[in-house]
Amino acid sequence: EAGVAQSPRYKIIEKRQSVAFWCNPISGHATLYWYQQILGQGPKLLIQFQNNGVVDDSQLPKDRFSAERLKGVDSTLKIQPAKLEDSAVYLCASSPDGNYGYTFGSGTRLTVV
Amino acid sequence: EDQVTQSPEALRLQEGESSSLNCSYTVSGLRGLFWYRQDPGKGPEFLFTLYSAGEEKEKERLKATLTKKESFLHITAPKPEDSATYLCAVMGEGAQKLVFGQGTRLTINP
Repeated sequence: EAGVAQSPRYKIIEKRQSVAFWCNPISGHATLYWYQQILGQGPKLLIQFQNNGVVDDSQLPKDRFSAERLKGVDSTLKIQPAKLEDSAVYLCASSPDGNYGYTFGSGTRLTVV
Repeated sequence: EDQVTQSPEALRLQEGESSSLNCSYTVSGLRGLFWYRQDPGKGPEFLFTLYSAGEEKEKERLKATLTKKESFLHITAPKPEDSATYLCAVMGEGAQKLVFGQGTRLTINP
């Protein structure tokens, strides 16, 4: 079974620029998550999708972050404009039904300078 | 609000020196407590799920236990390849998301 694919692996941008991350979940997984992991901390949920609908985006900074999951498969997470404090690893995870069986991708490491 | 606190933040052991990692949690109805291993530059890798107090699970040199307030990850006779960050997370009633602790960074010296 192929895992969760994320790209790019690394990204360096200047503050106030925009950036986008892409995630392809495990085939057939209905639930997709984006987590933010700041260095030395545990992952924090940004947004949860069930198919192509948003279930939980309560911790997403909506003034600068946006995410979509078209056709209930791939997902993109965008930051515009980026701030220094957005430097982190952005992890995508998927689950068959949102209950158990989470699988994480390797993440995208974002550095904002 | 569900909360998870892990201790210690970092632990350095000699090869073969057994120890335990702690995960204290506050949750409104526990659906599951999860342990993950995370290597540098990689995403978390699933280890165990525990569902109720008194439950124990084992995998190689690792054993996870659960009480109503905390979970322990016991590491017996660790090897250098066990070096990683160990993350604990909870899923509460009515939720479909994991709430993570900050992790314990474990280093095993040969």
